Amino acid sequence: AQKVTQAQTEISVVEKEDVTLDCVYETRDTTYYLFWYKQPPSGELVFLIRRNSFDEQNEISGRYSWNFQKSTSSFNFTITASQVVDSAVYFCALSEGVGNQFYFGTGTSLTVIP
Amino acid sequence: EAQVTQNPRYLITVTGKKLTVTCSQNMNHEYMSWYRQDPGLGLRQIYYSMNVEVTDKGDVPEGYKVSRKEKRNFPLILESPSPNQTSLYFCASSFGAGAYEQYFGPGTRLTVT
Repeated sequence: AQKVTQAQTEISVVEKEDVTLDCVYETRDTTYYLFWYKQPPSGELVFLIRRNSFDEQNEISGRYSWNFQKSTSSFNFTITASQVVDSAVYFCALSEGVGNQFYFGTGTSLTVIP
Repeated sequence: EAQVTQNPRYLITVTGKKLTVTCSQNMNHEYMSWYRQDPGLGLRQIYYSMNVEVTDKGDVPEGYKVSRKEKRNFPLILESPSPNQTSLYFCASSFGAGAYEQYFGPGTRLTVT
């Protein structure tokens, strides 16, 4: 079974619209860590945020915000007032407290249309 | 500059011809890992290493080997490549496992014909 599900394969929005990227995870561990990475068209992978399972506070960084809800096993990512530079593939990832593996979702390709 | 380097960046080879993709990091990270990225499948972990001489399988280890003789280097070896190993490969490193964000190399595009 997939440990990280990103059901949205592709999303297109018009510039300045808000967009939310969904991430649903599955784990039996009580200690775990969630991540978001960005892969722009140039191909590199860029770390955006890390969250541990004991910290459910939402986080805002400029136009980016993250909503972590343990009750629904979700760690969603919202971009406010999207810009063309936000066009990228975004990956959600999970690592569990037991074991040392990382599990990535299949990614969501976001296109922001000018 | 803190970085993860991979070589080569692009490689076209033939079935069965052994190859090695090198990975090196200059951040004194203990944890290193290899991933492959395929369309529709995201990133899948091949192997990872907690420290020198400590390696373990990820989700898709078949057909790959790794070694960690030095802390900074973590080469990926394909002893007999097959076309289904055509993929984009990323090396990554982090301070430790699990709780730490990973720093990724630029990727190696491998084509096996």
